[in-house]
Amino acid sequence: NAGVTQTPKFQVLKTGQSMTLQCAQDMNHEYMSWYRQDPGMGLRLIHYSVGAGITDQGEVPNGYNVSRSTTEDFPLRLLSAAPSQTSVYFCASSYSEIGVGGKAFFGQGTRLTVV
Amino acid sequence: AQTVTQSQPEMSVQEAETVTLSCTYDTSESDYYLFWYKQPPSRQMILVIRQEAYKQQNATENRFSVNFQKAAKSFSLKISDSQLGDAAMYFCALSPTNNDMRFGAGTRLTVKP
Repeated sequence: NAGVTQTPKFQVLKTGQSMTLQCAQDMNHEYMSWYRQDPGMGLRLIHYSVGAGITDQGEVPNGYNVSRSTTEDFPLRLLSAAPSQTSVYFCASSYSEIGVGGKAFFGQGTRLTVV
Repeated sequence: AQTVTQSQPEMSVQEAETVTLSCTYDTSESDYYLFWYKQPPSRQMILVIRQEAYKQQNATENRFSVNFQKAAKSFSLKISDSQLGDAAMYFCALSPTNNDMRFGAGTRLTVKP
């Protein structure tokens, strides 16, 4: 049972480069989210999805794009990386909305450095 | 707007002793969930305990329990019989009735042998 799988675990990008962080879950969860974690701060919500074809913005969406073509996958795209996007990124999924008791399962994170 | 405040950046406890981590929050929602997550050096986010706002009874999970004071918007975590494996960052989180979960800045817990 893989749970939530994020790839890659580590990545270094040059300013202006683009890349996609992958997230896949095998629990048939409807709800998926992307967070970033910066030093001295808790996780902040970037984007989330309540099901295939439906996405919405979170607290810090600028500079990131998402799409949800399947239930299993929820990739996060950085179109033009900036040093301010250096962070640890977490993907999470839950069977139901977290606010009504859904338990969030987190991936192990991707450490991204933009130089 | 939802905010979560953890006023203790660092805490330490002696092994086998009890420690309480503080969390206050603000929300205009009447229905919401509160969570405590543990993040060890492996970076994995592990759910420790959760509390439904409309339940007055405080949640407990083995050695972990909460003191939920809804009127005061306070949600503290008590760890009893602390173990070396409890050493980690602990995050308090709030989620109203949508998928938008807000986290506090975290408390780093050290357990001394």
